[in-house]
Amino acid sequence: KAGVTQTPRYLIKTRGQQVTLSCSPISGHRSVSWYQQTPGQGLQFLFEYFSETQRNKGNFPGRFSGRQFSNSRSEMNVSTLELGDSALYLCASSSETGVGSPLHFGNGTRLTVT
Amino acid sequence: DQQVKQNSPSLSVQEGRISILNCDYTNSMFDYFLWYKKYPAEGPTFLISISSIKDKNEDGRFTVFLNKSAKHLSLHIVPSQPGDSAVYFCAASAVTGANNLFFGTGTRLTVIP
Repeated sequence: KAGVTQTPRYLIKTRGQQVTLSCSPISGHRSVSWYQQTPGQGLQFLFEYFSETQRNKGNFPGRFSGRQFSNSRSEMNVSTLELGDSALYLCASSSETGVGSPLHFGNGTRLTVT
Repeated sequence: DQQVKQNSPSLSVQEGRISILNCDYTNSMFDYFLWYKKYPAEGPTFLISISSIKDKNEDGRFTVFLNKSAKHLSLHIVPSQPGDSAVYFCAASAVTGANNLFFGTGTRLTVIP
C-alpha cells in the first residue's frame, strides 16, 4: 500500500498570504489528522477529520481550517499567514477513529513564512 | 502547557548497549501511550504502544514500561543499533480523543558504532 502522501513538500509564503496543503491518506483509511511541528513545541494537534466531518480540534486560531473529501483526501488551509506559522505540517491517517489505531504519518509539508 | 514531557533532548549510547528513553505526563485521563521514531526529512513512524491496563509491552528489541502511579513511561531498546539513531517521540491520548495525540518534544538518540 502507498503511504500517506503530502503535497507540496516545501512552500515559501509571505506574511498575510494564505496557503493550502494537501494530504492523501493510505487507501482505506477514513481518519485524517493534521499536526504542526515546531522546534520548541514538538508536534501539536490541529484537527481530525473522519468521513468528511471534523471530529476533534486542537487549540489553534480560526485561521487554521481544514476539510475532507468523500475520497478521504484532506486539505488544510491557513489564512493571513504569520511568521510564527513557519513549521512542518504533518498529516496522519488511521483506519478508524479510536484507541488502538496508530497514526501513519506523511513526510510533511515544510512551510516557511517570510 | 506541555502535558507530555521528554526532559532529555538527547541521548548517546554505544552500539549493543541498552537505550532508555523516558517520558512523563501530567494528565491522568491519558490511557493510551505510543512511541514514534522520526528520521530527518521523514514523518514519524509508529514504533510501539501500551494501554493503561498494562504495565509492559514488548516487540522484539523494543519494550515500553508504564508506571501509572508515577505518570511515567519509558522505552527500552536492547541491543541498540546504529540504525536506531533518530528522534523518538512519546505520545499519549485519552479514549475520547484517540487521534488527538499529545506529543512530547522528542529525544534525539545517537547510537555510536
